[in-house]
Parts: sequence; structure tokens; C-alpha cells
Amino acid sequence: EAGVTQFPSHSVIEKGQTVTLRCDPISGHDNLYWYRRVMGKEIKFLLHFVKESKQDESGMPNNRFLAERTGGTYSTLKVQPAELEDSGVYFCASSHRTGGRGEQYFGPGTRLTVT
Amino acid sequence: AQSVTQLDSHVSVSEGTPVLLRCNYSSSYSPSLFWYVQHPNKGLQLLLKYTSAATLVKGINGFEAEFKKSETSFHLTKPSAHMSDAAEYFCVVSPRISFGNEKLTFGTGTRLTIIP
Repeated sequence: EAGVTQFPSHSVIEKGQTVTLRCDPISGHDNLYWYRRVMGKEIKFLLHFVKESKQDESGMPNNRFLAERTGGTYSTLKVQPAELEDSGVYFCASSHRTGGRGEQYFGPGTRLTVT
Repeated sequence: AQSVTQLDSHVSVSEGTPVLLRCNYSSSYSPSLFWYVQHPNKGLQLLLKYTSAATLVKGINGFEAEFKKSETSFHLTKPSAHMSDAAEYFCVVSPRISFGNEKLTFGTGTRLTIIP
């Protein structure tokens, strides 16, 4: 069974540019999560999809971030325009069961550097 | 509300000696607790999880953790460290309630160094 995959593994962009991160969850997992770790800080929740619906987007920092999950399969996270403070590692995770009991499987992350 | 405190940002132990990584949690609900590990250039991997069954939880690679409600702790231990254990370890809490609130809350991580 393939794990959670993320693309690209590393992205370097200039301030003001746009970047789109992609996450492919484990096949059959309805739940998809985005998390972020900025330098020196803890990993923080961004948002949670159940299939194609946003269940919880309370962690999204501002309206420069847009997440989509069309068709309930892969998800994209777009940052437009990128700012210096957006630099960090963006993790995607997926899970099968709901209710806080299901293990979340994480991808390797995308390291975003904004210069 | 929930939070996790990892008491040590860095821990160094000699190969073959015991490992102790400390974690305290706070949760308004009866929580699920996890330890994840991240090796260099790899994704986060689940080591073990507590979800209300036995309070002593055994995980992969010889790690285990004990849930102590009275102390609100979930410390991670291993009897004998191996060089391959060098990594960053995260204590994580999730509210164990029904559908709609599964987001994980991470500690700041503990970097474990193994001395040959």
C-alpha cells in the first residue's frame, strides 16, 4: 500500500510569488489534514478535509492560503502571495477512521523557503 | 482545549543505555495520546498510541510509554538505545470524542542523540 505522498519535496520562491503544494493521501482515506512547522516552532494544524468538504479550517493563518480537495482524492494548498513568514515544512496526513481514534499517516513534507 | 509539553528539547544518551523522553499533556476531554518519530529527511512515523485501553503501551522498535492520568504524563522509554534511534520525537494529543474534532496537537519535539 502506497503511503501519503507530497509534491514537491522542496520549493524555493520569492516573496510575492505563488506556490501550490500537493498531497496524495492513502487510497480510501476520507480524512486529509494539513499541518505546518515553521522554523523553531511546533507542528501546527492547518485544516481538515472529510472527503471534499472542509471539516475544520481553524488553523489556516490568513486568506493567502487556499486549500482544495476536488473529488475527495488529492489535495492542494496554494499560498498566494507568499510572505517570508510562510517558510517552513508543510505536512499532509490522512486517516481512515474518525473520532480521534484513527491513526494519522503522514507524508514526508514539503519544505517551503520564501526569500 | 488541549496542549502538550515536552520537557526536554534535546536528550543525549550513550548507546546501550536507557532512553527517557518526557511529555506532559493537558486536555479538556479524555485524550488519545501518541508518540511520533521523524528521522532525518523522512516523514513522521507513529511509534505508539494510547486510546483508553492498557495504560502501558508498547510500540515499535522496543519503545513503550505509560499513561499516568494522575500526573498527566505520557513519557516515552526504551531500555537500551541504539544508534538508529537518533531522531526527533514528538508527543501528540488528540481529543477522543466523536466525529469532527480529530486535529492533532504537537509538542515542540525532543531531539535524541545517541553517543557511540
